[in-house]
Parts: sequence; structure tokens; C-alpha cells
Amino acid sequence: DTAVSQTPKYLVTQMGNDKSIKCEQNLGHDTMYWYKQDSKKFLKIMFSYNNKELIINETVPNRFSPKSPDKAHLNLHINSLELGDSAVYFCASSLGGLAAGETQYFGPGTRLLVL
Amino acid sequence: AQSVTQPDIHITVSEGASLELRCNYSYGATPYLFWYVQSPGQGLQLLLKYFSGDTLVQGIKGFEAEFKRSQSSFNLRKPSVHWSDAAEYFCAVASYNNNDMRFGAGTRLTVKP
Repeated sequence: DTAVSQTPKYLVTQMGNDKSIKCEQNLGHDTMYWYKQDSKKFLKIMFSYNNKELIINETVPNRFSPKSPDKAHLNLHINSLELGDSAVYFCASSLGGLAAGETQYFGPGTRLLVL
Repeated sequence: AQSVTQPDIHITVSEGASLELRCNYSYGATPYLFWYVQSPGQGLQLLLKYFSGDTLVQGIKGFEAEFKRSQSSFNLRKPSVHWSDAAEYFCAVASYNNNDMRFGAGTRLTVKP
């Protein structure tokens, strides 16, 4: 069984559209994350979330919003997509939060291309 | 705020040769240090991590890393590289007192036959 899964694997869409990427983890972890990896492979944390707290990287536009229906899922909604949103988005999870130094387990990534 | 620098964008080594990937960091508190590997088209996999204690850390796939506080470095090493080690390697730092994690820009490893 895949520990952290993401759907879709590829997403091609037009500028201005709204899209969602789904993430599920079956590890029983309490904290989930979204990362953005740009074309230069630079990896940047966007959000970390557990059932108590959402921490948002201040540089993330408010067009991006995480939604967690339950502890095992953290979906990423993106409104009014822009060309610069094209990237690979990784979901990750860990038992505790970053402040505890827990190991993160990453999903396979969703490759988003905005035309 | 913490930051991570990986000075080498791309390294090529011959199969069987030794490998060292460099990582330098800056931090405002006690750091947690990590090395991750990303194979083409895949997510990241943790190789090893350092929190405290022994400064030489053993990881999976025969990798090790040494924490040197005086040099603010956490270099990754492997004594004999295999063709399957070709991938992108990321150093990362997190801090115990905040919820932030910073990754380096990555080092792409090519292995020659």
C-alpha cells in the first residue's frame, strides 16, 4: 500500500481555472504538508497542518488553500490559476510536526502545468 | 531564519568511486538536519537525519553524513557509488522551535559506468 498518495499525477489546465489536488496518507500521521517544487528543483514548504493548527508560509498567495476533511487527507485548492503556479506539488506527512523534527514521508508529486 | 546552501548543482562520479555532497546551513537555534534523495519522477525519500549526539550519522543505502558545527556543514558521503544512486539530493534544515523547513537547491548526481 502506498503510504502517501496524490491525485492526479498530472494536471494540465488553463489560466484562471480553479483546481484541486488530493492527498491521502495511511500512516496514521498527525501532520500533513504541501510543498511546491519549481522548475529549478527548488523545494519550498507551503503549509503544514494538523488537527489543531494550520501554519501557512507567508509567501503563499491566498489563492492557495488547504482543506482537510479528516486526519488522513489534506487537499490543496488553487483558485484563479496563473502561469507561475506551474510546478510539481508534493504532499508529505509526519507523525509529529516540524518542531519535533519528525521524518516526513513524501507523496509522488503532482505535476501541474498552467497554459 | 534558517537557510541551506548546496554549492554543487551537478556532480558526476564513476561507479565505484567515493562521493561527497556538500551542505552548509545557517540557523537561529538548534537545527535538525536532513538529507533526502529524489529519483526522477518520484517523491523525496529520507536518507538520514541528525538531531543531536554522535556527529556521524548512518543512513540507508550505505550513506552517511557528518555534522560539523564549527563549519556549519552537514556533508553526505558514500564510499562506493552505485549506478542506482543517480538522483537529485537535497539537504534540509528544520528548527525545533518553529514550524519551518528549508531545503537546499539540490545536487544532481550522475554516475558514469
